Amino acid sequence: AQSVTQLGSHVSVSEGALVLLRCNYSSSVPPYLFWYVQYPNQGLQLLLKYTTGATLVKGINGFEAEFKKSETSFHLTKPSAHMSDAAEYFCAVTPYSSASKIIFGSGTRLSIRP
Amino acid sequence: DAGVIQSPRHEVTEMGQEVTLRCKPISGHDYLFWYRQTMMRGLELLIYFNNNVPIDDSGMPEDRFSAKMPNASFSTLKIQPSEPRDSAVYFCASSPTSVPTDTQYFGPGTRLTVL
Repeated sequence: AQSVTQLGSHVSVSEGALVLLRCNYSSSVPPYLFWYVQYPNQGLQLLLKYTTGATLVKGINGFEAEFKKSETSFHLTKPSAHMSDAAEYFCAVTPYSSASKIIFGSGTRLSIRP
Repeated sequence: DAGVIQSPRHEVTEMGQEVTLRCKPISGHDYLFWYRQTMMRGLELLIYFNNNVPIDDSGMPEDRFSAKMPNASFSTLKIQPSEPRDSAVYFCASSPTSVPTDTQYFGPGTRLTVL
């Protein structure tokens, strides 16, 4: 079965600091991996996804994530945090063999200190 | 495009009442998904449709929950009878083709409170 684990339910960083949100996955087959963002009182929005090919994936709003098979990780980073990045972030996985059924992690709330 | 439209945005009802949540997917999208989000269980997929046909309803919690998609532009999620533990935010999402080939677009959600 596929699953994702997000380390840290709440992360707080200063404006301008590096953002690092951790995600580890478990999958018996090659996975597709995603990061979604949810702003208050809104639905989820796709930040980026890894399917095949380049392991460093760039997304919207300056975020990127690197697929590391050896570490079963897909951590999300942004070099310099902005106040508008404050939101809930979800890592998600779906196996090649089961299209359309995405398994979401429990989420990490990102707070930005002025 | 207006995006995925959900109604109502907020619903407060009493235990035992029937609740119907509505969703209009983005025009041309063949897939429609219903999710439930709670603090305790996070974001769970309840059911998804392809071309109006339910494909996987294994996430539907129990028989009190039912979902229909009578046409390509409308879907409902019904809870009858409702219970306090059904209180959650319910999201509808649609995608042009199957995930992960394509991206899911989420609606703003319906916040359901069952008293």
